Amino acid sequence: EPEVTQTPSHQVTQMGQEVILRCVPISNHLYFYWYRQILGQKVEFLVSFYNNEISEKSEIFDDQFSVERPDGSNFTLKIRSTKLEDSAMYFCASSSDRGEKLFFGSGTQLSVL
Amino acid sequence: QQQVKQSPQSLIVQKGGISIINCAYENTAFDYFPWYQQFPGKGPALLIAIRPDVSEKKEGRFTISFNKSAKQFSLHIMDSQPGDSATYFCAASISSNYQLIWGAGTKLIIKP
Repeated sequence: EPEVTQTPSHQVTQMGQEVILRCVPISNHLYFYWYRQILGQKVEFLVSFYNNEISEKSEIFDDQFSVERPDGSNFTLKIRSTKLEDSAMYFCASSSDRGEKLFFGSGTQLSVL
Repeated sequence: QQQVKQSPQSLIVQKGGISIINCAYENTAFDYFPWYQQFPGKGPALLIAIRPDVSEKKEGRFTISFNKSAKQFSLHIMDSQPGDSATYFCAASISSNYQLIWGAGTKLIIKP
């Protein structure tokens, strides 16, 4: 069964450093998403991406965040200058239908020290 | 108004019993209501979803009941099995948007 893969599974970084979280969506999917879950809190939408541009973003997705699909297979989330409060599990997802039937990766646990 | 409230936070059910998890929402513009199942160390996986034009949808042992007037929907797991032990999330979205609004999750334990 096709799956969304995310790397790394764990990332530890120092506050103020840049991190890039990587995702390989399911190959025939057109819509791509990043969600995050801070420990003990709800899953939160960050951004959706379609046709090589951001289609929707939440208030969380400020200027420190960016997304890119550099080569037609990878989908990346970059945090330019990490803060302690960025520590969370970050999930990548993809779908063939807009906003529906999302397939999620296993997540990247980001720890900012 | 964007919130989805989920209960209970945790649930213990005997094997073979019925597990029931409830969600409530305020935004009447929501028109897509999925349930996700998550095992430890894995991402959420879509279990079943419903639109408000039907009051019930069944897939195997899993049923969503939807009450539009009460703005509530629930997941029923019939003949619950130990393999169903996981965290379950309800969510809601508006078709014109991309983002899912999530409930807080229910940790379900099925006792053998």
